[in-house]
Amino acid sequence: QQPVQSPQAVILREGEDAVINCSSSKALYSVHWYRQKHGEAPVFLMILLKGGEQKGHEKISASFNEKKQQSSLYLTASQLSYSGTYFCGFQDTLAGGTSYGKLTFGQGTILTVHP
Amino acid sequence: DGGITQSPKYLFRKEGQNVTLSCEQNLNHDAMYWYRQDPGQGLRLIYYSQIVNDFQKGDIAEGYSVSREKKESFPLTVTSAQKNPTAFYLCASRRQGRYTFGSGTRLTVV
Repeated sequence: QQPVQSPQAVILREGEDAVINCSSSKALYSVHWYRQKHGEAPVFLMILLKGGEQKGHEKISASFNEKKQQSSLYLTASQLSYSGTYFCGFQDTLAGGTSYGKLTFGQGTILTVHP
Repeated sequence: DGGITQSPKYLFRKEGQNVTLSCEQNLNHDAMYWYRQDPGQGLRLIYYSQIVNDFQKGDIAEGYSVSREKKESFPLTVTSAQKNPTAFYLCASRRQGRYTFGSGTRLTVV
């Protein structure tokens, strides 16, 4: 089943903050976040492993709550270059906790940053 | 520089014809993936391969076929059985959890 992302779209002014949420109905091994500019390949942002991890990448950070099967991406002091579609990707937990590496993506959140 | 090459960037085919999309990587990654992207639906997994000569169906494999005869190559054939083939197709490879994507092929069937 596809992860559910919210909101579907966000419009910001430069310098504003945003949060993108992603939730799953299945147990998770890890969460991935990618950003895609229009017509281009998705670009890796970060991976979070089970264990309630939180990671940061410049002014973009994320959290992973394994118990709630949820992840959130935090964008602070947004820049024009942050515009794009953000995807979360979930890897399932198999019996024994070993992941196949198959990633299931959410439907995406379109982020637009205006000057 | 290492990466994934998808060709062609744009592809037009007549309805009822099979078409093969190329995906080549020089990253020495074992795992490779094909995703389909439609507006508002995100990325949906078509097929994936963990090693050479082995591949698995993803969530929307019907109407598609793949082969993995070489580590570097993972071509996708869109057959005439695929009811709605017009889409943006992305190939990816994976190493230690991190995916690297190609720049995609936009297929239009008329």
